[in-house]
Amino acid sequence: QQQVKQSPQSLIVQKGGISIINCAYENTAFDYFPWYQQFPGKGPALLIAIRPDVSEKKEGRFTISFNKSAKQFSLHIMDSQPGDSATYFCAASMDFGNEKLTFGTGTRLTIIP
Amino acid sequence: KAGVTQTPRYLIKTRGQQVTLSCSPISGHRSVSWYQQTPGQGLQFLFEYFSETQRNKGNFPGRFSGRQFSNSRSEMNVSTLELGDSALYLCASSHGTISGNTIYFGEGSWLTVV
Repeated sequence: QQQVKQSPQSLIVQKGGISIINCAYENTAFDYFPWYQQFPGKGPALLIAIRPDVSEKKEGRFTISFNKSAKQFSLHIMDSQPGDSATYFCAASMDFGNEKLTFGTGTRLTIIP
Repeated sequence: KAGVTQTPRYLIKTRGQQVTLSCSPISGHRSVSWYQQTPGQGLQFLFEYFSETQRNKGNFPGRFSGRQFSNSRSEMNVSTLELGDSALYLCASSHGTISGNTIYFGEGSWLTVV
């Protein structure tokens, strides 16, 4: 019930291409969906987040698409760069003041020249 | 503005021992959460403290405990360590009073149990 499923597990994209990572959730009580980026040896850092009343949110090269009826959301990285190579986690949380994040299993993204 | 600070960064313990990890949140943040990260289980929520009270709890055994002090600093303790407790333990902080507010993570404490 609390699960967030993430795919693919790993992804290789050519420099300049579009990287797409998908997540699906089950619990309709989730109302906050952040994406985190993690580099080796570092803690996760918030990349971008969306609420279910919005179908798309864009910040620079990063876009979240949200499909409430399908209970799916995805991260698109446009013009992917080698510096984007990292592990990406989708997450979800619910309720006011609820800091419990349920994370997806992560996607290791590699951008090749 | 200083980020979330965790100490120690690396430690090695023996099975059966106990360990205490420390976390200093971002100034002004009242919520501190702890997560365990392993290759097999990914990122899992341990517990969250807000104003010295445990507000949320994950599905971990009672060997995992925590507390928060009046200055919002937090500690987590793991007793009777098992090999499977080897993991990166992440502390996160946030204001804790606004829905969907940004949760900031520290760099973690790497625990190896031998």
